[in-house]
Amino acid sequence: GQGVEQPDNLMSVEGTFARVNCTYSTSGFNGLSWYQQREGHAPVFLSYVVLDGLKDSGHFSTFLSRSNGYSYLLLTELQIKDSASYLCAVRDSNYQLIWGSGTKLIIKP
Amino acid sequence: GGIITQTPKFLIGQEGQKLTLKCQQNFNHDTMYWYRQDSGKGLRLIYYSITENDLQKGDLSEGYDASREKKSSFSLTVTSAQKNEMAVFLCASSTGGDSGNTLYFGEGSRLIVV
Repeated sequence: GQGVEQPDNLMSVEGTFARVNCTYSTSGFNGLSWYQQREGHAPVFLSYVVLDGLKDSGHFSTFLSRSNGYSYLLLTELQIKDSASYLCAVRDSNYQLIWGSGTKLIIKP
Repeated sequence: GGIITQTPKFLIGQEGQKLTLKCQQNFNHDTMYWYRQDSGKGLRLIYYSITENDLQKGDLSEGYDASREKKSSFSLTVTSAQKNEMAVFLCASSTGGDSGNTLYFGEGSRLIVV
C-alpha cells in the first residue's frame, strides 16, 4: 500500500543543523510538501518540491530524489524556536495527499 | 492575509453523543478539508469539499458527517462519539486545483470523550 515514513524524533544542538528525512512509496507522484507544526498549533507550510535536486530557501532547504522515493528538509543555524514537529506530505497520482506521522525535532542549547 | 478559525478549541462530550465542530475561513478559498490527527500517525482525511454544498468522503469518513453551508464555512459532526476518537481535528483550506497547492490550517479542536 501507499505510505510516507518519517523518524519519530530527532535531536540537534542550537547553532548547528538538522536533517529531517522522509521516504515514500505512492502510486504516482505529484509533488511533496513540508509543514512545520509547533505543539498545540496549526501546521504551517514550509516548502513544496516536484523536481529532483536541492531547493535552497535560506534557513530551510529541501532535497528530493524521485527515483529513491526520498526527501529531506535541512534546517541550518538552528534556533531553539525551530523545535517543532515537521510533517512530510506526498501528492499521489490522484492528487490525494498522503501524510507522514511527523518528526519531532528537539534542539538543545 | 487570511485566517481559519475553528470552534470550539476543546469539545467535551459523553460516549454516544452527537458532537459538532465548526470551521470558518476568510481566504475565499474554494476547497476545505477536515483531518484527524492522532499521536504517532499521519493526518487522515475525513471529508473535503471543493465548493459550497459539495461533499467528498476521505478515507476516514465512517462515523462522521459534514456540511458546507457556504463557501466560508465547513462543519464536521461526530455522529456517536467514542472514547477511541479522542484526537485533534484540523480544518484546512486551499485554492484547490491540481497544482502543488498550499493548505492553510486552523489551530485544531481537541475532542475529549468522557
